[in-house]
Amino acid sequence: EVQLVESGGGLVQPGGSLRLSCAASGFPFGAIWMSWVRQAPGRGLEWVANIKEDGSVIWYVDSVKGRFTISRDNARNSLYLQMNSLRAEDTAVYYCAADDWGPGLHWGQGTLVTVSS
Amino acid sequence: DVVMTQSPLSLSVTLGQSASISCRSSQSLLYSDGNTYLSWFQQRPGQSPRRLIHRVSNRDSGVPDRFSGSGSGTAFTLRISRVEADDVGVYFCMQGAHWPPWTFGQGTKVEIK
Repeated sequence: EVQLVESGGGLVQPGGSLRLSCAASGFPFGAIWMSWVRQAPGRGLEWVANIKEDGSVIWYVDSVKGRFTISRDNARNSLYLQMNSLRAEDTAVYYCAADDWGPGLHWGQGTLVTVSS
Repeated sequence: DVVMTQSPLSLSVTLGQSASISCRSSQSLLYSDGNTYLSWFQQRPGQSPRRLIHRVSNRDSGVPDRFSGSGSGTAFTLRISRVEADDVGVYFCMQGAHWPPWTFGQGTKVEIK
């Protein structure tokens, strides 16, 4: 059974940092691109970042460049998102997703990040 | 960036009837490898998204054949036949032909009349 389990969300003040983790199982993690996708409360889906199987290629949406860092550890079947300089507009549920020409082959349950003072 | 535009944004359907959702892209989604990278997702209330259709018309494993996708170029349609109560939720299209970024439509909320 495919499982993606996110953790690390929570309440953080503007300008603060959080590190999200995603534990994967049930599929060949090391052979698949992985993404982070977010959904602001009551809003649509926004792709945030993704990373190639071996970590050699990484893409970010413009709004997070220079602030977020995606990484992976294939030995631990884990995906990460380091989020710095957080803003109110980063408030969202963050989903870990396995890619198939874009995010969406498999999805986690999401972890809520709230940026507020 | 490719803009994905869905219509309608809200749809009220009688049980057993059909529903259609349109998705238009600002550029053709035909990729150089001959595939057209348009996917459809379902997000039931309180749940994560789930992919239903990829490459325009290919159903994912376990997706009922009541769901079908069609289209080409810049115009695509998701059709739900014989709507059931379980189909309530928000449906999103997503393009994977021009990246980054991968972009989603605004979503179409489907409810039962």
